[in-house]
Amino acid sequence: EVQLVESGGGLVQPGGSLRLSCAASGFTFSSYWMSWVRQAPGKGLEWVANIKQDGSEKYYVDSVKGRFTISRDNAKNSLYLQMNSLRAEDTAVYYCARELRFDYWGQGTLVTVSS
Amino acid sequence: QSALTQPRSVSGSPGQSVTISCTGTSSDVGGYNYVSWYQQHPGKAPKLMIYDVSKRPSGVPDRFSGSKSGNTASLTISGLQAEDEADYYCCSYAGSYTFVFGGGTKLTVL
Repeated sequence: EVQLVESGGGLVQPGGSLRLSCAASGFTFSSYWMSWVRQAPGKGLEWVANIKQDGSEKYYVDSVKGRFTISRDNAKNSLYLQMNSLRAEDTAVYYCARELRFDYWGQGTLVTVSS
Repeated sequence: QSALTQPRSVSGSPGQSVTISCTGTSSDVGGYNYVSWYQQHPGKAPKLMIYDVSKRPSGVPDRFSGSKSGNTASLTISGLQAEDEADYYCCSYAGSYTFVFGGGTKLTVL
């Protein structure tokens, strides 16, 4: 059974940093593109970033370029999102999702940026 | 990277059919056959319902179907059931490995 479990969310002040993790199981993690998608409270979904199987290619939505970094550790079956210079508008539930069609999703982790 | 346009809400009675539209541009919906649809119940993670415009993942009922014409994609749900009440989001590939979602549509089963 495919499972994706996010962790690392919490309350952070504007300008602060946070690192999200996504632990994958039930499939060959190293064979799949992986993505982060977020959802602000009461709002719609927004694609944030994705990363190729070997980590050699990474892509980001314009609003997070230069502030967020997606990475992965295939030996640990884990996906990460390093978030720096956080803003209030980054407040959202962050989901990790498998493949470029987002066929499996985790339960999400809430990031709140507030003073 | 502007969001795709979906109606805020649609409704239908049990057994009826409803269609949700998703309008983009030639740079996303119209330019690629990579439109997907997601169902999200309150407090839950999204679930993939349709990918590559009209393909259904294993386990998704054939009551759900997708299509595309020009810059507009559509999700049709036939034989509406109470459990279909949820938010629905479209998503399109927008080139250079980037993606754009629609604003979401709330489906109410009357």
